[in-house]
Amino acid sequence: AQTVTQSQPEMSVQEAETVTLSCTYDTSESDYYLFWYKQPPSRQMILVIRQEAYKQQNATENRFSVNFQKAAKSFSLKISDSQLGDAAMYFCAYWVQGAQKLVFGQGTRLTINP
Amino acid sequence: NAGVTQTPKFRVLKTGQSMTLLCAQDMNHEYMYWYRQDPGMGLRLIHYSVGEGTTAKGEVPDGYNVSRLKKQNFLLGLESAAPSQTSVYFCASIGAGPIAAEAFFGQGTRLTVV
Repeated sequence: AQTVTQSQPEMSVQEAETVTLSCTYDTSESDYYLFWYKQPPSRQMILVIRQEAYKQQNATENRFSVNFQKAAKSFSLKISDSQLGDAAMYFCAYWVQGAQKLVFGQGTRLTINP
Repeated sequence: NAGVTQTPKFRVLKTGQSMTLLCAQDMNHEYMYWYRQDPGMGLRLIHYSVGEGTTAKGEVPDGYNVSRLKKQNFLLGLESAAPSQTSVYFCASIGAGPIAAEAFFGQGTRLTVV
């Protein structure tokens, strides 16, 4: 079975500090994509960052970066200089080219303390 | 750009009633997905479709049916609603081709079964 595991149901961080959210996944496929989505109280799902499995370089989007460890099947999200607007649920997900399924983890609720 | 539109946004059903949720996308996407979101469970895949006229079961398909008669529409049906189906439902679509598999989401439907 293809699974995604987020082991941290809740995290909190002080404003302006750095926080890392963990994600592990399990797939036997070689061609896949990994994502982090943000879900604020509005419920809208917002793509934060994307990583292609065939790329060794870690993706970066402004204050957001990932640590992609393919052999360990680990995909963590680092948020630098945390801002109050970063408070949300964060979901890790992957999409497998062969199965064409988009599979999500359980989510991590991030709180930013002013 | 409308993107992905879900109808309705809210609904209250009595146990045993039936209803259909509509997901419409205007991006000519091949792949469409229905998820349910429950606290602590993340987004769980109900059914999905890899093209017009095709459907497949996800991880929690029981009690739901789907149809994809037109490429732009993906319908989710509840034949006999149960309180366990109280949830927030999300539709998503993904385009085929070389572009990395970014999912576009609807705004969600909050369904309460009493």
